[in-house]
Amino acid sequence: QQQVKQSPQSLIVQKGGISIINCAYENTAFDYFPWYQQFPGKGPALLIAIRPDVSEKKEGRFTISFNKSAKQFSLHIMDSQPGDSATYFCASNFGNEKLTFGTGTRLTIIP
Amino acid sequence: DVKVTQSSRYLVKRTGEKVFLECVQDMDHENMFWYRQDPGLGLRLIYFSYDVKMKEKGDIPEGYSVSREKKERFSLILESASTNQTSMYLCASSFWASYNEQFFGPGTRLTVL
Repeated sequence: QQQVKQSPQSLIVQKGGISIINCAYENTAFDYFPWYQQFPGKGPALLIAIRPDVSEKKEGRFTISFNKSAKQFSLHIMDSQPGDSATYFCASNFGNEKLTFGTGTRLTIIP
Repeated sequence: DVKVTQSSRYLVKRTGEKVFLECVQDMDHENMFWYRQDPGLGLRLIYFSYDVKMKEKGDIPEGYSVSREKKERFSLILESASTNQTSMYLCASSFWASYNEQFFGPGTRLTVL
């Protein structure tokens, strides 16, 4: 079973700080790397995604950094806000294959 | 607005009962998925379906079965519920083409006593 290893399991960041969540994958065929955000009582929702033809993708305060040689990708949340408190899942796949999800990171932003 | 709905938010069943979890999507998606979410284990795929009457095993299919008689509806069945199936169950759907966003329902919290 292909794995996506996610860390840390939980993260506490002060308001205004930078939140960083890391993922590592094994399958070199993977070429799609989305991040999903889940608020309590809700299902996950797509936050941002990257293909390996670029090393970075930015959408507002959210940035994915991708390192193909290290088989790693990370989510950076700049100027973290209390409303960003949620569980974040990384995932990977290729083509139309099923997504493999990481184990999740519970992010808490404190005032 | 796209929507995936699940029949129950909370469900309590007894060991040995047959349990049906229903999922309906209104986006005409080809793909539908059932996941199980447990703390520290993330989202694990139970079964998925690319078309009506078609199903594929995911990573943890043991103890579960599925049914897809109509394109918009995907059911998860626990033939004989056990306490280790107490979990949050999430349904999702997506278009068939590659790299497509999965849309999730709100989840069903199942407790098996």
